[in-house]
Amino acid sequence: AQSVAQPEDQVNVAEGNPLTVKCTYSVSGNPYLFWYVQYPNRGLQFLLKYITGDNLVKGSYGFEAEFNKSQTSFHLKKPSALVSDSALYFCAVRDRDTGGFKTIFGAGTRLFVKA
Amino acid sequence: NAGVTQTPKFQVLKTGQSMTLQCAQDMNHNSMYWYRQDPGMGLRLIYYSASEGTTDKGEVPNGYNVSRLNKREFSLRLESAAPSQTSVYFCASSEAGRDFYEQYFGPGTRLTVT
Repeated sequence: AQSVAQPEDQVNVAEGNPLTVKCTYSVSGNPYLFWYVQYPNRGLQFLLKYITGDNLVKGSYGFEAEFNKSQTSFHLKKPSALVSDSALYFCAVRDRDTGGFKTIFGAGTRLFVKA
Repeated sequence: NAGVTQTPKFQVLKTGQSMTLQCAQDMNHNSMYWYRQDPGMGLRLIYYSASEGTTDKGEVPNGYNVSRLNKREFSLRLESAAPSQTSVYFCASSEAGRDFYEQYFGPGTRLTVT
């Protein structure tokens, strides 16, 4: 069965500091991995995805994520946080071999960036 | 390009009432989805439509029905609303379902059942 864990409900970081939002996953096959961001009273917006190839994936707004197969992780990172990055972040996984149409979302991590 | 649109934005129902949530996309996507979002639980898939003319159950289909009216539109119906269906509902679409394509989400419908 597929699952996604985001171990931190909330991450606090000062503006200008690097940020990391953690995600680990479990699939029986090979994963497609995604990060989405949700601003208040809005739908989710796609940030980046890992399909295959280079383990470091770059996405929108300066975010990047690193796929680590041995640790089954896909942590979201940004070198220098902005106040406007404050939002709810979701990691998601689809098993490319057996998952069919099902994308599993994590519970979300709320990021607060303090000025 | 409006992307994915949903109506209504807010709705309050009494237990036992019915309603239909509407969703439309203008990106010519093949696959469409309905999710519910509850605090601390992420998004859970209710139903999806891989392509026009097909629909399938997701993780939490009980109490819901769907219709893929055409390629653009995918509606979600609550036949007899229950307080447990109080949630925020999101419609999404993607180019294809069984692949690596990301999903595009609508703004959501906040439903309260009293």
